[in-house]
Amino acid sequence: NAGVTQTPKFQVLKTGQSMTLQCAQDMNHEYMSWYRQDPGMGLRLIHYSVGAGITDQGEVPNGYNVSRSTTEDFPLRLLSAAPSQTSVYFCASSLEQGHGYTFGSGTRLTVV
Amino acid sequence: EDQVTQSPEALRLQEGESSSLNCSYTVSGLRGLFWYRQDPGKGPEFLFTLYSAGEEKEKERLKATLTKKESFLHITAPKPEDSATYLCAVLTGGGNKLTFGTGTQLKVEL
Repeated sequence: NAGVTQTPKFQVLKTGQSMTLQCAQDMNHEYMSWYRQDPGMGLRLIHYSVGAGITDQGEVPNGYNVSRSTTEDFPLRLLSAAPSQTSVYFCASSLEQGHGYTFGSGTRLTVV
Repeated sequence: EDQVTQSPEALRLQEGESSSLNCSYTVSGLRGLFWYRQDPGKGPEFLFTLYSAGEEKEKERLKATLTKKESFLHITAPKPEDSATYLCAVLTGGGNKLTFGTGTQLKVEL
């Protein structure tokens, strides 16, 4: 099925651990983004990419790394997890600038 | 800094009771305004994009309108299945970066 696939759906980490949230899309979209969603704060942009090999920071990039080696994949790495990174993470992709994003179903991350 | 404010935060309607959700924005150079629907435990689902003041788009019971300062999502004769959180977002600079509002949680009751 065409769309954005995120794995895992749920994850619990201990403070200081690292992990990678996976995101893959099969729609040949150039634009991809990572957002986090916290109660009362809306969706906030972490990192984004305008094509393979090109990434940039969003509003809240600290503590996260990304890379875009292929058009299809855009993994998000947490370097050293902190309780403040407890959130729901969404990956999204878009064909062109100005087009609506297709969102994945999210990863719910808890850092204890 | 771009700002997006949605109101009300929550809205409870009876089935068939029409209403409107508001999204006001303060941005430097609007390139697009987006409406999304989000069901609990799921990712946002794209509804509409509006690009210029005066533009309107419709989908089933939903109609989105845009002025120079705000957008409205009109819901006509809502049904319980329209219950969801509705998110508004603006596109200003490059990179297809969206700034989201905090959403309006809509509940439609029988």
